[in-house]
Amino acid sequence: SAVISQKPSRDICQRGTSLTIQCQVDSQVTMMFWYRQQPGQSLTLIATANQGSEATYESGFVIDKFPISRPNLTFSTLTVSNMSPEDSSIYLCSVESLGATTNEKLFFGSGTQLSVL
Amino acid sequence: GESVGLHLPTLSVQEGDNSIINCAYSNSASDYFIWYKQESGKGPQFIIDIRSNMDKRQGQRVTVLLNKTVKHLSLQIAATQPGDSAVYFCADVVAGNQFYFGTGTSLTVIP
Repeated sequence: SAVISQKPSRDICQRGTSLTIQCQVDSQVTMMFWYRQQPGQSLTLIATANQGSEATYESGFVIDKFPISRPNLTFSTLTVSNMSPEDSSIYLCSVESLGATTNEKLFFGSGTQLSVL
Repeated sequence: GESVGLHLPTLSVQEGDNSIINCAYSNSASDYFIWYKQESGKGPQFIIDIRSNMDKRQGQRVTVLLNKTVKHLSLQIAATQPGDSAVYFCADVVAGNQFYFGTGTSLTVIP
């Protein structure tokens, strides 16, 4: 299993500014992911953070808007750039790992609640 | 394309009653399905999974039923407690690593 620390847990930001969200895992993991969860909606995958190479973005998400770093196997950051109110959402870090006693494969951080004014 | 949806966005039950949360999926190539629970201010937490070659799986107070004929998945919670109040998601996993999440059902337990 994996324990994920994500911060900040919440923030209120002014439009036009940027926010960097950090994700720290207690063990080395190959796959790290960033999701967005808009109010009343499902989890949408933003990108896969690859260690040592550029992140892989899903359709509708671009590096200029959501730059991602993955300097090692336990840490990643997601930046929400040039924010607008439409970026208000919960952002979740997740990692792929093996559950200790279950088939759980995808573990999530506690999320970052972002509000853009 | 893949779609995973839930029949009801909200569900209210009396404490002690059983809860049933439903999910529909469209992909026929799913490896397995997962139910997650998400409490306010927290990330989704794994509850139980079921492989695509199974019809039923039971955990502690929870049972997941899979009907592949109609592509329907349900989560049954026995003797619902206030601590069960949360949003519940189903996820459809394809090729072992592609996760497709439903929109979620908000369960409220009335004391």
